Amino acid sequence: SQQGEEDPQALSIQEGENATMNCSYKTSINNLQWYRQNSGRGLVHLILIRSNEREKHSGRLRVTLDTSKKSSSLLITASRAADTASYFCATVVTNAGKSTFGDGTTLTVKP
Amino acid sequence: GAVVSQHPSRVICKSGTSVKIECRSLDFQATTMFWYRQFPKQSLMLMATSNEGSKATYEQGVEKDKFLINHASLTLSTLTVTSAHPEDSSFYICSARDGSRANTGELFFGEGSRLTVL
Repeated sequence: SQQGEEDPQALSIQEGENATMNCSYKTSINNLQWYRQNSGRGLVHLILIRSNEREKHSGRLRVTLDTSKKSSSLLITASRAADTASYFCATVVTNAGKSTFGDGTTLTVKP
Repeated sequence: GAVVSQHPSRVICKSGTSVKIECRSLDFQATTMFWYRQFPKQSLMLMATSNEGSKATYEQGVEKDKFLINHASLTLSTLTVTSAHPEDSSFYICSARDGSRANTGELFFGEGSRLTVL
C-alpha cells in the first residue's frame, strides 16, 4: 500500500473549531511535509518537520512527528472557511530522494 | 521565490494525438523534477523522476514510451503524452526541487494541467 496514509479521509467542522489530521507511514524517512491543495489546483507547501524533530509550529498550524509510531499529525487551530481544501502528507524516504504522498484528508470548514 | 510554472493549464485533444506539458522553474535551478498524475478526489501518483541531463526514472507500471519525459535544462522539464486516449484524461502535476536546497526535501509545485482526451 502507499507510503503515507491520512485519516480521516474527510473532515467537516464549523468555523472556529480545530481540525486534526493524521498521517501514518511505513519506512524510515528524512523528513515529512504537509501540503494543501485547493480543488483543481497545484499543491502548496505548508510545513516540513525533520525526522529528529517532534513538534513544529507555523501560525495556526501545529505538526507533530512520532518516528517510533511512524505517524504525524497536523492541527489547524481556529479554522476558517478559507482553510477548506485537501491536505496531504508527503514523506521523503531515506536514501530515495523522492516524495510519496498519502491519500489526503478533505477538510470542509463551514462558515 | 521558488515559483514553478506549468503550461498549459487545460488542454483538450482528440484521441490519437500527442500532448506536451511544460514545467518550468522560474527563479531557481531544478536539478530534479517530478511528474504526478492525480485522479479526481485521489492522491498524487508519482509517475517519474526527471533529472537534468539524464533519462527519467519511471515508477512501476508507468509506460515510458507513452509518457515521454525530457529534462533538457535546469529550468525545464516536459511531459509528452503520446497517442493519447480517453483513459489518459487526468490532472497532471509537476514539482521541482531546488538544487541549492535539495537536502530539505521541499517540493515546489506547478498549478497542474488538466488533460481531456475526446
